[in-house]
Amino acid sequence: EAQVTQNPRYLITVTGKKLTVTCSQNMNHEYMSWYRQDPGLGLRQIYYSMNVEVTDKGDVPEGYKVSRKEKRNFPLILESPSPNQTSLYFCASGNSRGLAGASQFFGPGTRLTVL
Amino acid sequence: GDSVTQMEGPVTLSEEAFLTINCTYTATGYPSLFWYVQYPGEGLQLLLKATKADDKGSNKGFEATYRKETTSFHLEKGSVQVSDSAVYFCALSFYNQGGKLIFGQGTELSVKP
Repeated sequence: EAQVTQNPRYLITVTGKKLTVTCSQNMNHEYMSWYRQDPGLGLRQIYYSMNVEVTDKGDVPEGYKVSRKEKRNFPLILESPSPNQTSLYFCASGNSRGLAGASQFFGPGTRLTVL
Repeated sequence: GDSVTQMEGPVTLSEEAFLTINCTYTATGYPSLFWYVQYPGEGLQLLLKATKADDKGSNKGFEATYRKETTSFHLEKGSVQVSDSAVYFCALSFYNQGGKLIFGQGTELSVKP
C-alpha cells in the first residue's frame, strides 16, 4: 500500500529535550516536505527536500532541522524544543517532476506537546 | 505575498443539503489550485485540483472551477452526506517554488443526519 508513515503519532516532551520525528514513504518520491498545522493558520511549510542531500527552508524553519540521506526518509529534528513548537506536524511526499498540479501525499500526523 | 483565504467555519448542514465553501487566492502569476480534505484523526487527502484557468476539478461529487477573473476556487457539492464531515483546505502552489503548498486556514464541515 502506498503510504507516508510518521512516528511517533503522539509525543509529550519537555523544553530543551532533543527529539526526532521520523517520516518514511514507499512511493519512490523525490520530493518530501514537513508542515505544521496550527488553529486558524492552516498548514505552513517548515522544510522541504527536492531529492537526496537537497534540502531547503520553508516558511517557518526556525528551531527545526532536517536531513535527507535516503530517498525514502526525511526526519524532522527539534534540537531544543520550546512550547511554541507545540503543534500538529505532517510529512508529505510527491513526485518532483512537474510539480505544478502534482499531488502530494500526506502522513497521518504527529501531535507534539512541549511542556 | 501569495495567500489563500477560505470562509470561516464551522459550517453545519443537514444531510442532502447543498454545500459551498468559498476560497479566494492572492498570487503573482497563475498557480495550480487544490482542495484537500482532512477526516478526523487523519492526514490530508487530495480531493481535487485544477492547473489552469477555467479548469474544473471534480471528485466524489465535489466540484471546483478555477476562476482567474475572480481569483477563486469555490468548492461545491450538490448533496452532502454525514460521511463528508471533515475539515477542507484550499491550497495553491507554483511549479517554481519547490512544490510548496500554501494553505488556507481550513473550513470545518459538520453534516447532521
